[in-house]
Amino acid sequence: NAGVTQTPKFRILKIGQSMTLQCAQDMNHNYMYWYRQDPGMGLKLIYYSVGAGITDKGEVPNGYNVSRSTTEDFPLRLELAAPSQTSVYFCASSGANSPLHFGNGTRLTVT
Amino acid sequence: AQSVAQPEDQVNVAEGNPLTVKCTYSVSGNPYLFWYVQYPNRGLQFLLKYITGDNLVKGSYGFEAEFNKSQTSFHLKKPSALVSDSALYFCAVRGGLYSGGGADGLTFGKGTHLIIQP
Repeated sequence: NAGVTQTPKFRILKIGQSMTLQCAQDMNHNYMYWYRQDPGMGLKLIYYSVGAGITDKGEVPNGYNVSRSTTEDFPLRLELAAPSQTSVYFCASSGANSPLHFGNGTRLTVT
Repeated sequence: AQSVAQPEDQVNVAEGNPLTVKCTYSVSGNPYLFWYVQYPNRGLQFLLKYITGDNLVKGSYGFEAEFNKSQTSFHLKKPSALVSDSALYFCAVRGGLYSGGGADGLTFGKGTHLIIQP
C-alpha cells in the first residue's frame, strides 16, 4: 500500500520557469491537500479538494494552481516560479473521520 | 479564525525522563486536536487525536496528550523518553463539524524540535 506518493523529491527551478508537482493517493480518499513548509513557520495550506472536480483556495494560494480530475491525483502547478516559492511541499489526503496521510514531500528551490 | 501556538521551539530531555511538548489553541466551537511527528526528510506522521470523550488520549509509540478545555491546551506527553523520539512535533487543530481532514484542512503550529539526549 503506497499511501500518498509525491514526485519529484527534489527540483531546482530558475525564476520564471513553470513546473507541476505530482501527488497521487491509492486510499480512495475524497479529501486532498497541498501544504508548504518553511523553516520555523509550520505548514501553510495552499489548496484543497473535497472530491474530483472540486478545488478551493487555502491560506496561501497565490502563485499556484491545482486540478482534481480524478479521485487519485491532485497536481500542483507553479506557473512563474519566484524565489518566495522555495519551500518543501507536502501533499496529504484523508477520508471521512480519519487523520491526514502525508507524502514524503518535494523540496523545491527557485534561483 | 483558528490558531495553534507551540511556545517552545526546542525541548531538551534526558533519555528515560518524562517529556512534555506544549500546545495551546484557539478555535470556534468544539476543537478537534491532533499531534503529528516529522522525522528528517519525511512527511508528517499521525500520532494521536482528540475528538471527544476522555481528556487523556493515548496514541502511537507510547505518547499521550491531555486535553484541557479551560486552559485551551493539548500538551503531548510521554512518561519515559527514548533517543528515537527525537524529531519535530506539530500540534494541529480544526473546529466545527469533524469530517476527516475537513473541507478546509488543519491549522498547524510552528512545530517543536524534541531532542532526547542519551
